[in-house]
Amino acid sequence: DAKTTQPPSMDCAEGRAANLPCNHSTISGNEYVYWYRQIHSQGPQYIIHGLKNNETNEMASLIITEDRKSSTLILPHATLRDTAVYYCIVRAGNNRKLIWGLGTSLAVNP
Amino acid sequence: GAVVSQHPSWVICKSGTSVKIECRSLDFQATTMFWYRQFPKQSLMLMATSNEGSKATYEQGVEKDKFLINHASLTLSTLTVTSAHPEDSSFYICSAEEGQGLKTQYFGPGTRLLVL
Repeated sequence: DAKTTQPPSMDCAEGRAANLPCNHSTISGNEYVYWYRQIHSQGPQYIIHGLKNNETNEMASLIITEDRKSSTLILPHATLRDTAVYYCIVRAGNNRKLIWGLGTSLAVNP
Repeated sequence: GAVVSQHPSWVICKSGTSVKIECRSLDFQATTMFWYRQFPKQSLMLMATSNEGSKATYEQGVEKDKFLINHASLTLSTLTVTSAHPEDSSFYICSAEEGQGLKTQYFGPGTRLLVL
């Protein structure tokens, strides 16, 4: 699976949009982009995934560039409870293993 | 939907004892579950893939005789840490696959193990 690169940390003001970038320049055509987050001392929480098209659910939006080499997770109105480590993971559809990097530690400030 | 539970949430045991951790998919059936370990300030490391009705597949470097995995039903997988030692102290997390075709992993809340 392709490797991903994320900034180690980001800050965001409460109520503002949090835009978390992920670089996956070696992604293959059959690989999906997954986002999870892990709040301190808890198991990871699934957020969203996509292949080519932009995706939106009740938690977030996922914007994938046309060349698929990067993506952005958008939390439209960040709250203090969104403070967590956010992981961007690329996996092929037939590969069930998730390879975890160090993610981006997002701090939402009041 | 797609809720995964773990029990216990934390456990303290003496060195040399065995500890069993349960992972359950509460509202779906999971033929495949995964066990991870996470040390402080590190990322998740996959230990093994648990398949219902068959033997688990362990990642390189993980001792299968020390970390016994049983996946006896479509909603339950167990991880037993045998003869636990202080270096086994860690955060153990399970996940279960859900969905048709492209499956998504949903994670349990984790079990914190402290071996004295």
